Amino acid sequence: GAGVSQSPSNKVTEKGKDVELRCDPISGHTALYWYRQSLGQGLEFLIYFQGNSAPDKSGLPSDRFSAERTGGSVSTLTIQRTQQEDSAVYLCASRRLASTGELFFGEGSRLTVL
Amino acid sequence: SQQGEEDPQALSIQEGENATMNCSYKTSINNLQWYRQNSGRGLVHLILIRSNEREKHSGRLRVTLDTSKKSSSLLITASRAADTASYFCATDRSGGSNYKLTFGKGTLLTVNP
Repeated sequence: GAGVSQSPSNKVTEKGKDVELRCDPISGHTALYWYRQSLGQGLEFLIYFQGNSAPDKSGLPSDRFSAERTGGSVSTLTIQRTQQEDSAVYLCASRRLASTGELFFGEGSRLTVL
Repeated sequence: SQQGEEDPQALSIQEGENATMNCSYKTSINNLQWYRQNSGRGLVHLILIRSNEREKHSGRLRVTLDTSKKSSSLLITASRAADTASYFCATDRSGGSNYKLTFGKGTLLTVNP
């Protein structure tokens, strides 16, 4: 596609349920990032994929969070046993080169945990 | 901890005035970028300045970088109501092979008609 696509755009779930958020980056982009943005706050880094290298998972807040990137393209962020504090907008971004250049962001997935 | 920190946190000006936002960071960088975010949307890249550059222009945007002070500023001239948004700086650290891009908390700019 022309841009970074994220789905779902909105997700409402009950506490304790698992959710999967999907990111389809721009074709050919080497690097893919996930960020979390709570209401009115900045971007909190979660995880970074760079080509075939091991991902940088240093930002994942707990072991309930995991992510994978299959075939160097689509990425899925999974949150298990969701908690109310997981409510936020989850933003995905990609860029062509791993080392530099602008990030292209999706519109985000807004997660609400009741 | 956040690599980039913007100030002020919020800025309110009248249309036609200039808006200046600042960003400070902690470690050596390869480049610094500014992004804009309209409410409820994703971030959009505005401008990138490399560590060996001191000033860069793009339309009504002017970015400066002072690596000795580890700071950058974004100037928007002749502001318009449509410039109302949050503005974030982001830094690419130098050295190593990890290219994690970290963002500041942003400046919320309100331009009043």
